Amino acid sequence: DAGVIQSPRHEVTEMGQEVTLRCKPISGHDYLFWYRQTMMRGLELLIYFNNNVPIDDSGMPEDRFSAKMPNASFSTLKIQPSEPRDSAVYFCASSQARIGDYGYTFGSGTRLTVV
Amino acid sequence: GEDVEQSLFLSVREGDSSVINCTYTDSSSTYLYWYKQEPGAGLQLLTYIFSNMDMKQDQRLTVLLNKKDKHLSLRIADTQTGDSAIYFCAETLMTTDSWGKLQFGAGTQVVVTP
Repeated sequence: DAGVIQSPRHEVTEMGQEVTLRCKPISGHDYLFWYRQTMMRGLELLIYFNNNVPIDDSGMPEDRFSAKMPNASFSTLKIQPSEPRDSAVYFCASSQARIGDYGYTFGSGTRLTVV
Repeated sequence: GEDVEQSLFLSVREGDSSVINCTYTDSSSTYLYWYKQEPGAGLQLLTYIFSNMDMKQDQRLTVLLNKKDKHLSLRIADTQTGDSAIYFCAETLMTTDSWGKLQFGAGTQVVVTP
């Protein structure tokens, strides 16, 4: 398995534009997580899915953020409109139902810069 | 990650041992993890310990667990420059019987100097 795949690796956009981040989890993993990492706030859990259904989106900063998981192999995190304070590294992670010995597997992240 | 506490920074000389400490909150946590994040990369699972153990050794890595004090530590023997990274402690929050949500600490920046 190629691991958790995120795209793009880097994204630079202008304030007000729509940004879409993409994630392909590991096949067979039932859970998918979106995290945001900044120097000020560290790792923040934004939302997670179980079997493609959003379970907890309490970490989503505001209505400008939305996430979908249309099928077991794909998820998107969308920011519309984007703002400079959204600049961060966004990670996707996936896990089996029982995380056990393997924990979460993280993707390499998308570095978002909003100018 | 506010409920899992770690020191923010550790400087160590090459060849010495590093000890990174963590305190966690959920006494029912079954698995506790250490993740490593190198610059520009995602978090990589380094090692873990099951809650019925008090020590686990894996090559240069030794994990110690004190359940009474909810204290977890990671010792890296013979620290190398390649060990320079951010190390995250994570606990499982057993909110249901079927799975555990991970709660991460803020991370400890380890800098290895020659």
